[in-house]
Amino acid sequence: GENVGLHLPTLSVQEGDNSIINCAYSNSASDYFIWYKQESGKGPQFIIDIRSNMDKRQGQRVTVLLNKTVKHLSLQIAATQPGDSAVYFCAERSGNDYKLSFGAGTTVTVRA
Amino acid sequence: SAVISQKPSRDICQRGTSLTIQCQVDSQVTMMFWYRQQPGQSLTLIATANQGSEATYESGFVIDKFPISRPNLTFSTLTVSNMSPEDSSIYLCSVESWGAEAFFGQGTRLTVV
Repeated sequence: GENVGLHLPTLSVQEGDNSIINCAYSNSASDYFIWYKQESGKGPQFIIDIRSNMDKRQGQRVTVLLNKTVKHLSLQIAATQPGDSAVYFCAERSGNDYKLSFGAGTTVTVRA
Repeated sequence: SAVISQKPSRDICQRGTSLTIQCQVDSQVTMMFWYRQQPGQSLTLIATANQGSEATYESGFVIDKFPISRPNLTFSTLTVSNMSPEDSSIYLCSVESWGAEAFFGQGTRLTVV
């Protein structure tokens, strides 16, 4: 299958700063995207999703941006907190396939 | 959102033995999936657990090694058979309904010695 990948494997951010995590995908048929957060010893936790008919969606302290032209997805975390330290995965699905494909993951470390 | 209970949360097993992992959901769901997450890696789909029929396996995974059951819409099991150290991973149950996000259990951390 086609890949969903992340540009950077690690991100170190100062507490209080904004974080941006990037994801590239190659399947032009993908129409649904999800960001997950995985803390150590836990399963992935849903953060936010976006469908291909949108280019931006906001949640609590998080914003997901979708650029279908360049097949790029990003997650922005505002005012990053120590509790945001985790591995973040993007995942995508196409309308005619029920399976999710996951990217490689970005490890975010928040510096106090 | 669905609440998923996965058992056991962790186990240490001898090579050559088998372990069955259980996944219980608090509501009926359309789809149930089993993933493997090797140390420091992303999630890889093992199979889709089909209610009342044989699971659908992804490339590289076979029923003899990872038999799966799904007797109803809220419960599934994954067995890791004839284990070797290479099977040491986190195994995750996931559920979703059509068009919605997928939720994950806490995972089973398996170490094979």
